[in-house]
Amino acid sequence: DTEVTQTPKHLVMGMTNKKSLKCEQHMGHRAMYWYKQKAKKPPELMFVYSYEKLSINESVPSRFSPECPNSSLLNLHLHALQPEDSALYLCASSLSPRPPNSPLHFGNGTRLTVT
Amino acid sequence: TQLLEQSPQFLSIQEGENLTVYCNSSSVFSSLQWYRQEPGEGPVLLVTVVTGGEVKKLKRLTFQFGDARKDSSLHITAAQPGDTGLYLCAGGETSGSRLTFGEGTQLTVNP
Repeated sequence: DTEVTQTPKHLVMGMTNKKSLKCEQHMGHRAMYWYKQKAKKPPELMFVYSYEKLSINESVPSRFSPECPNSSLLNLHLHALQPEDSALYLCASSLSPRPPNSPLHFGNGTRLTVT
Repeated sequence: TQLLEQSPQFLSIQEGENLTVYCNSSSVFSSLQWYRQEPGEGPVLLVTVVTGGEVKKLKRLTFQFGDARKDSSLHITAAQPGDTGLYLCAGGETSGSRLTFGEGTQLTVNP
């Protein structure tokens, strides 16, 4: 079982809908990440939160809006998405934001379909 | 931007065969991580290598970090169907907090 929990597992939404993806970890990790993954491709970094502050935004369109209410929770708010945004959205956490000492712990993702 | 080239992209072998996956870059990385991802799940860390020339073994899997910390390899001995999955290498930036992922190797081990 993964220690990073993502909900929902699957989500189908129309292009005019507003929805949110949720991620939770209780490992005391201080860095949390959103990745987008297309089939048979590597994860693409979207956002990094370090100590609850947004530290990296990889030029993600504003229809994706991240939020980190506290050190254990990470949300991704979705609005006016396009069909090409359909993908697996992965949340990850690490003890610190420095890769050498902090491997990523991934959740099992939310499979998003935009119709 | 640091790039990692991973090869081969696809590999289909019979149970019992050996295989090697490569990750190469012209850039130096502070660390190299290997992940395995199975369908419907997130990637799971297999190993982290930090020191140039480092070799780590995990049962039938052997990981090596190049002396110059620009490349890495994963060797699997006597592959089993349970080894099937997407193998991802990821390099840590020498400055900053990004991980650069390789394109992945989709491994299928047939019984």
